[in-house]
Amino acid sequence: DAMVIQNPRYQVTQFGKPVTLSCSQTLNHNVMYWYQQKSSQAPKLLFHYYDKDFNNEADTPDNFQSRRPNTSFCFLDIRSPGLGDAAMYLCATSREIRDRGFWETQYFGPGTRLLVL
Amino acid sequence: GQQVMQIPQYQHVQEGEDFTTYCNSSTTLSNIQWYKQRPGGHPVFLIQLVKSGEVKKQKRLTFQFGEAKKNSSLHITATQTTDVGTYFCAGTGTYKYIFGTGTRLKVLA
Repeated sequence: DAMVIQNPRYQVTQFGKPVTLSCSQTLNHNVMYWYQQKSSQAPKLLFHYYDKDFNNEADTPDNFQSRRPNTSFCFLDIRSPGLGDAAMYLCATSREIRDRGFWETQYFGPGTRLLVL
Repeated sequence: GQQVMQIPQYQHVQEGEDFTTYCNSSTTLSNIQWYKQRPGGHPVFLIQLVKSGEVKKQKRLTFQFGEAKKNSSLHITATQTTDVGTYFCAGTGTYKYIFGTGTRLKVLA
């Protein structure tokens, strides 16, 4: 089945130790998103790739970076994790058509839960 | 910046009672989507509303999009224990999604 896959499902890292989370999709969607979701809160958009164009949210810390080497894969790099970065990280995809006037359904992966010690 | 608020934040109902959550945006939306997130799970798409005043139904769920495209509601008739979870609206502006604050529903058997 076509889907959004995130690895690992659980990640434990040490304070300040770089960590990379991965997302892959078999949907051939042109847009990929990274969200951060803390307990009992709404998902917060960090950034998204529209095709190859990277779009960073204004309030996303510089500590968070992303790479999209091809259509199927997208990575979230946290350069120096702090205790406040412990959260669920959700990857999502959608198939967008430019200038259509609205955004399409997002398909979410199962998430990676990050713990920072 | 654009904000999307939902009320109530929490709702406990007896099984069989109805439930409604309301979503309000500070700006006009292009469209609105609703997602359900089960405890420990990820958001799952429920429905999308695009037109002003649009109403859509999915079995016991009724979704409405306001005439001004700044608010929306989700109504569940005769709740069941399987309805437990957090319901998020997600409004889209010019170029991205903004998730609402969510309403956590608990259904008491």
